Amino acid sequence: AQSVTQLGSHVSVSEGALVLLRCNYSSSVPPYLFWYVQYPNQGLQLLLKYTSAATLVKGINGFEAEFKKSETSFHLTKPSAHMSDAAEYFCAVKRRDDKIIFGKGTRLHILP
Amino acid sequence: KAGVTQTPRYLIKTRGQQVTLSCSPISGHRSVSWYQQTPGQGLQFLFEYFSETQRNKGNFPGRFSGRQFSNSRSEMNVSTLELGDSALYLCASSLSLANTGELFFGEGSRLTVL
Repeated sequence: AQSVTQLGSHVSVSEGALVLLRCNYSSSVPPYLFWYVQYPNQGLQLLLKYTSAATLVKGINGFEAEFKKSETSFHLTKPSAHMSDAAEYFCAVKRRDDKIIFGKGTRLHILP
Repeated sequence: KAGVTQTPRYLIKTRGQQVTLSCSPISGHRSVSWYQQTPGQGLQFLFEYFSETQRNKGNFPGRFSGRQFSNSRSEMNVSTLELGDSALYLCASSLSLANTGELFFGEGSRLTVL
């Protein structure tokens, strides 16, 4: 079954440094992939989505992700971290049966 | 445009009791999905309703049930509560999961079982 794996439950970066959050998917066909962000005591908010239109997807708040079929990856990046980026990030895949399955999440810590 | 509204936001129950959580989707959205979020398991899919019909179901025991009304509002019920049911229950709406499947989440109902 299609699923996603997020590498690293916690990632710490310095303010101004590159953010890289890793997500690998398992799928035999190009999937629909998503990144969501959850701020404390809130629900999840869509950052960006891949629907096979373009391999480099730009999202909100300066985030982007690149779909790499050869690596079955959909890593999330941001060139320069800001304190407000501290949150939990979830990678998700929409399966053929329309279920949307989430990874276990990566908590991003921003160091001053 | 109002977002997804979940009530109550916080509740405390004791083992053996039952609980009903409510979700009002974004106007025009006909699909409502429910997830259980815990620190150890992340987001676990409970079920999805579309036009009052359950379309998908996750791997949860029968104590977890839900329904959707004609106005797309949804409720989920957990009977005979166990300590392990303590979690944040998230509701998400979408136009239809048959398209790209973008979900819009509410802020959740945090259930504590004592």
